[in-house]
Amino acid sequence: DGGITQSPKYLFRKEGQNVTLSCEQNLNHDAMYWYRQDPGQGLRLIYYSQIVNDFQKGDIAEGYSVSREKKESFPLTVTSAQKNPTAFYLCASSIDQRLTNEKLFFGSGTQLSVL
Amino acid sequence: GDSVTQMEGPVTLSEEAFLTINCTYTATGYPSLFWYVQYPGEGLQLLLKATKADDKGSNKGFEATYRKETTSFHLEKGSVQVSDSAVYFCALKVIYNQGGKLIFGQGTELSVKP
Repeated sequence: DGGITQSPKYLFRKEGQNVTLSCEQNLNHDAMYWYRQDPGQGLRLIYYSQIVNDFQKGDIAEGYSVSREKKESFPLTVTSAQKNPTAFYLCASSIDQRLTNEKLFFGSGTQLSVL
Repeated sequence: GDSVTQMEGPVTLSEEAFLTINCTYTATGYPSLFWYVQYPGEGLQLLLKATKADDKGSNKGFEATYRKETTSFHLEKGSVQVSDSAVYFCALKVIYNQGGKLIFGQGTELSVKP
Protein backbone atom coordinates (compact mmCIF):
# COMPACT_ATOMS: atom_id res chain seq x y z
CA ASP A 1 0.00 0.00 0.00
CA GLY A 2 1.19 3.50 -0.80
CA GLY A 3 1.55 5.98 2.00
CA ILE A 4 3.72 8.10 4.24
CA THR A 5 5.88 6.54 6.93
CA GLN A 6 7.15 8.58 9.84
CA SER A 7 9.67 7.30 12.35
CA PRO A 8 10.19 6.99 15.18
CA LYS A 9 6.72 7.19 16.72
CA TYR A 10 8.19 8.56 19.97
CA LEU A 11 11.45 10.49 20.35
CA PHE A 12 13.18 12.03 23.33
CA ARG A 13 15.66 14.86 23.13
CA LYS A 14 18.26 15.83 25.66
CA GLU A 15 19.29 19.41 26.30
CA GLY A 16 21.52 20.76 23.53
CA GLN A 17 20.95 17.79 21.27
CA ASN A 18 19.90 17.77 17.63
CA VAL A 19 17.41 15.09 16.62
CA THR A 20 16.15 14.04 13.20
CA LEU A 21 12.64 12.90 12.35
CA SER A 22 12.25 10.67 9.34
CA CYS A 23 9.54 10.97 6.68
CA GLU A 24 9.34 8.67 3.66
CA GLN A 25 6.62 8.46 1.00
CA ASN A 26 6.06 5.97 -1.81
CA LEU A 27 3.21 7.90 -3.43
CA ASN A 28 5.48 9.51 -6.04
CA HIS A 29 4.34 12.91 -4.79
CA ASP A 30 6.33 16.01 -5.67
CA ALA A 31 5.46 18.18 -2.67
CA MET A 32 6.13 17.41 1.00
CA TYR A 33 5.38 19.33 4.18
CA TRP A 34 6.24 19.36 7.88
CA TYR A 35 3.67 20.56 10.42
CA ARG A 36 3.93 20.99 14.15
CA GLN A 37 0.86 20.28 16.29
CA ASP A 38 0.45 21.73 19.79
CA PRO A 39 -2.68 21.28 21.90
CA GLY A 40 -5.21 24.03 21.17
CA GLN A 41 -3.08 25.59 18.43
CA GLY A 42 -3.82 23.36 15.49
CA LEU A 43 -1.20 22.70 12.84
CA ARG A 44 1.54 25.17 12.01
CA LEU A 45 3.71 24.84 8.90
CA ILE A 46 7.43 24.46 9.57
CA TYR A 47 8.93 23.76 6.12
CA TYR A 48 7.73 22.59 2.75
CA SER A 49 9.35 21.29 -0.40
CA GLN A 50 7.87 21.44 -3.86
CA ILE A 51 10.55 19.46 -5.64
CA VAL A 52 13.80 17.64 -5.01
CA ASN A 53 16.66 19.87 -3.82
CA ASP A 54 14.31 22.74 -3.06
CA PHE A 55 12.51 23.74 0.13
CA GLN A 56 10.92 26.83 1.65
CA LYS A 57 10.42 28.11 5.19
CA GLY A 58 6.95 27.97 6.61
CA ASP A 59 5.52 30.03 9.45
CA ILE A 60 7.70 28.65 12.28
CA ALA A 61 10.99 27.54 10.71
CA GLU A 62 13.33 28.89 13.39
CA GLY A 63 15.22 26.10 15.15
CA TYR A 64 14.47 23.56 12.43
CA SER A 65 16.24 22.40 9.27
CA VAL A 66 15.30 20.07 6.40
CA SER A 67 16.76 18.47 3.31
CA ARG A 68 15.21 17.01 0.16
CA GLU A 69 17.89 14.99 -1.58
CA LYS A 70 15.45 12.33 -2.80
CA LYS A 71 11.87 12.66 -3.97
CA GLU A 72 10.59 10.14 -1.43
CA SER A 73 12.39 11.50 1.64
CA PHE A 74 12.02 14.74 3.61
CA PRO A 75 13.76 14.50 7.02
CA LEU A 76 13.31 17.21 9.65
CA THR A 77 16.08 18.09 12.12
CA VAL A 78 15.09 19.76 15.37
CA THR A 79 18.17 21.68 16.44
CA SER A 80 19.28 22.79 19.88
CA ALA A 81 18.19 26.31 18.87
CA GLN A 82 14.54 25.20 19.13
CA LYS A 83 13.86 25.98 22.79
CA ASN A 84 10.40 24.48 23.00
CA PRO A 85 10.50 21.36 20.82
CA THR A 86 7.93 19.24 22.67
CA ALA A 87 5.11 18.68 20.17
CA PHE A 88 3.54 16.22 17.75
CA TYR A 89 5.17 16.46 14.33
CA LEU A 90 3.28 15.56 11.18
CA CYS A 91 4.68 15.01 7.71
CA ALA A 92 2.43 15.33 4.68
CA SER A 93 2.64 15.14 0.91
CA SER A 94 0.63 16.21 -2.12
CA ILE A 95 0.73 15.12 -5.73
CA ASP A 96 2.13 18.44 -6.92
CA GLN A 97 3.14 21.82 -5.61
CA ARG A 98 -0.18 23.50 -6.43
CA LEU A 99 -2.27 20.92 -4.56
CA THR A 100 -4.09 20.22 -7.83
CA ASN A 101 -6.04 17.28 -6.39
CA GLU A 102 -6.68 19.37 -3.30
CA LYS A 103 -5.63 16.70 -0.85
CA LEU A 104 -2.82 16.30 1.63
CA PHE A 105 -1.77 12.81 2.70
CA PHE A 106 -0.46 12.61 6.25
CA GLY A 107 1.84 10.26 8.12
CA SER A 108 0.92 9.01 11.59
CA GLY A 109 3.21 11.46 13.34
CA THR A 110 6.17 11.59 15.74
CA GLN A 111 5.78 12.71 19.34
CA LEU A 112 8.92 14.55 20.44
CA SER A 113 9.54 15.18 24.12
CA VAL A 114 12.37 16.82 26.02
CA LEU A 115 14.12 14.86 28.77
CA GLY B 1 -3.67 37.37 6.18
CA ASP B 2 -5.50 34.16 5.50
CA SER B 3 -6.79 32.35 8.56
CA VAL B 4 -9.30 29.83 9.88
CA THR B 5 -11.18 30.01 13.17
CA GLN B 6 -13.02 27.06 14.69
CA MET B 7 -15.24 26.77 17.74
CA GLU B 8 -13.36 25.72 20.81
CA GLY B 9 -13.64 22.25 22.18
CA PRO B 10 -13.93 19.81 23.62
CA VAL B 11 -17.44 19.05 22.42
CA THR B 12 -19.10 16.20 24.29
CA LEU B 13 -22.25 14.58 22.89
CA SER B 14 -24.31 11.50 23.50
CA GLU B 15 -24.59 8.90 20.76
CA GLU B 16 -27.19 9.79 18.08
CA ALA B 17 -27.06 13.52 18.95
CA PHE B 18 -26.81 16.21 16.27
CA LEU B 19 -23.37 17.69 15.69
CA THR B 20 -22.35 21.16 14.56
CA ILE B 21 -18.76 22.40 14.58
CA ASN B 22 -18.44 26.01 13.48
CA CYS B 23 -15.72 27.21 11.13
CA THR B 24 -15.18 30.67 9.68
CA TYR B 25 -12.39 31.88 7.48
CA THR B 26 -10.61 35.01 6.30
CA ALA B 27 -9.12 34.90 2.83
CA THR B 28 -8.63 36.74 -0.40
CA GLY B 29 -11.07 35.51 -3.03
CA TYR B 30 -12.86 32.19 -2.72
CA PRO B 31 -10.46 29.49 -1.58
CA SER B 32 -11.20 25.78 -1.49
CA LEU B 33 -12.29 24.65 1.98
CA PHE B 34 -11.73 21.37 3.77
CA TRP B 35 -12.51 19.35 6.86
CA TYR B 36 -9.86 16.92 8.05
CA VAL B 37 -10.27 14.39 10.88
CA GLN B 38 -7.61 13.07 13.24
CA TYR B 39 -8.27 9.89 15.20
CA PRO B 40 -6.25 9.31 18.39
CA GLY B 41 -2.55 8.74 17.75
CA GLU B 42 -2.86 9.13 14.00
CA GLY B 43 -2.29 11.67 11.26
CA LEU B 44 -5.03 13.66 9.56
CA GLN B 45 -7.38 12.33 6.89
CA LEU B 46 -9.44 14.35 4.46
CA LEU B 47 -13.10 14.11 5.45
CA LEU B 48 -14.74 16.38 2.88
CA LYS B 49 -14.13 19.45 0.76
CA ALA B 50 -15.86 22.19 -1.22
CA THR B 51 -14.20 24.13 -3.98
CA LYS B 52 -16.64 26.97 -4.69
CA ALA B 53 -19.42 28.98 -3.10
CA ASP B 54 -22.65 27.08 -2.32
CA ASP B 55 -20.94 23.72 -2.86
CA LYS B 56 -21.79 21.06 -0.29
CA GLY B 57 -19.14 18.55 0.67
CA SER B 58 -20.27 15.27 2.21
CA ASN B 59 -18.77 12.01 3.42
CA LYS B 60 -19.63 9.34 6.03
CA GLY B 61 -22.79 11.22 7.05
CA PHE B 62 -20.92 14.51 7.59
CA GLU B 63 -21.81 17.60 5.55
CA ALA B 64 -20.54 21.15 5.18
CA THR B 65 -21.74 23.95 2.89
CA TYR B 66 -19.48 26.70 1.54
CA ARG B 67 -21.19 29.98 2.51
CA LYS B 68 -19.42 32.98 0.99
CA GLU B 69 -21.89 35.48 2.51
CA THR B 70 -20.91 34.47 6.02
CA THR B 71 -17.42 33.14 5.14
CA SER B 72 -18.30 29.92 6.90
CA PHE B 73 -17.97 26.17 6.40
CA HIS B 74 -19.70 24.56 9.39
CA LEU B 75 -19.49 20.79 9.82
CA GLU B 76 -22.71 18.90 10.61
CA LYS B 77 -23.83 15.34 11.22
CA GLY B 78 -27.34 14.27 12.03
CA SER B 79 -26.55 11.37 14.35
CA VAL B 80 -23.07 10.89 15.80
CA GLN B 81 -21.55 7.59 16.84
CA VAL B 82 -18.89 6.72 19.41
CA SER B 83 -16.54 6.01 16.51
CA ASP B 84 -16.77 9.68 15.44
CA SER B 85 -14.76 10.69 18.51
CA ALA B 86 -11.74 12.52 17.07
CA VAL B 87 -10.28 15.97 16.48
CA TYR B 88 -11.74 17.85 13.52
CA PHE B 89 -9.78 20.50 11.60
CA CYS B 90 -11.14 23.07 9.21
CA ALA B 91 -8.70 24.28 6.55
CA LEU B 92 -8.43 26.50 3.50
CA LYS B 93 -6.14 26.32 0.49
CA VAL B 94 -3.89 29.25 -0.25
CA ILE B 95 -2.37 29.67 -3.70
CA TYR B 96 0.80 31.68 -4.11
CA ASN B 97 3.13 32.12 -7.08
CA GLN B 98 5.11 28.97 -6.32
CA GLY B 99 2.36 26.62 -5.31
CA GLY B 100 -0.32 25.82 -2.78
CA LYS B 101 -0.55 25.09 0.91
CA LEU B 102 -3.23 24.48 3.51
CA ILE B 103 -3.89 26.70 6.49
CA PHE B 104 -5.56 24.89 9.38
CA GLY B 105 -7.76 25.99 12.24
CA GLN B 106 -6.90 25.06 15.79
CA GLY B 107 -8.96 21.87 15.79
CA THR B 108 -12.08 20.89 17.72
CA GLU B 109 -12.07 17.75 19.83
CA LEU B 110 -15.28 15.71 19.72
CA SER B 111 -16.07 13.09 22.34
CA VAL B 112 -19.16 10.92 21.83
CA LYS B 113 -20.45 8.96 24.82
CA PRO B 114 -22.53 5.78 24.50
